[in-house]
Amino acid sequence: AQSVTQLDSHVSVSEGTPVLLRCNYSSSYSPSLFWYVQHPNKGLQLLLKYTSAATLVKGINGFEAEFKKSETSFHLTKPSAHMSDAAEYFCVVMGWGGADGLTFGKGTHLIIQP
Amino acid sequence: GAGVSQSPSNKVTEKGKDVELRCDPISGHTALYWYRQSLGQGLEFLIYFQGNSAPDKSGLPSDRFSAERTGGSVSTLTIQRTQQEDSAVYLCASSTRRDETQYFGPGTRLLVL
Repeated sequence: AQSVTQLDSHVSVSEGTPVLLRCNYSSSYSPSLFWYVQHPNKGLQLLLKYTSAATLVKGINGFEAEFKKSETSFHLTKPSAHMSDAAEYFCVVMGWGGADGLTFGKGTHLIIQP
Repeated sequence: GAGVSQSPSNKVTEKGKDVELRCDPISGHTALYWYRQSLGQGLEFLIYFQGNSAPDKSGLPSDRFSAERTGGSVSTLTIQRTQQEDSAVYLCASSTRRDETQYFGPGTRLLVL
């Protein structure tokens, strides 16, 4: 079985400052990991995914994440926050072969202060 | 191209009534998933279809929940004798195959009064 822990339920940063959203995973095999974003009253949008090709993954809107096997972490970062980044962010792990669906973290609510 | 679509976008029903939620996946996607997003439980996986077949239905919350998929395309999630705890957003996702990226629809917001 696999699991995901998002270490912060809320993160608040000022516009223009760096963003760090933390995620730790547990998996008995080499996992596929994702970050999804959900804006208010909108659907889930894929930000980026890791599938073992490269440990540093670049996604949309300037976000990136680094897979660290030794730390079982997959933290999401962005160098400079924008007001439009305010949303709920989910760290996600895929079950083996995908048949068990995705396992979601509880989400991190990102607040951008003007 | 067209993404995953779901209907209705909102549904209000009375306790005890049956409801049907529809998902239309991206054309050509053979894998289809249903999830539920609620305040208390977060996002939870319900069921997976490969083609028209659902190998494992153990993720469905109770026997009041059922799902089917026909023609390898549209899927319907049915909730019988709805209860207030069924109130949630029901999300559908599809992918080219089961181990590939899932793309989500906008969801159906269900409110049981």
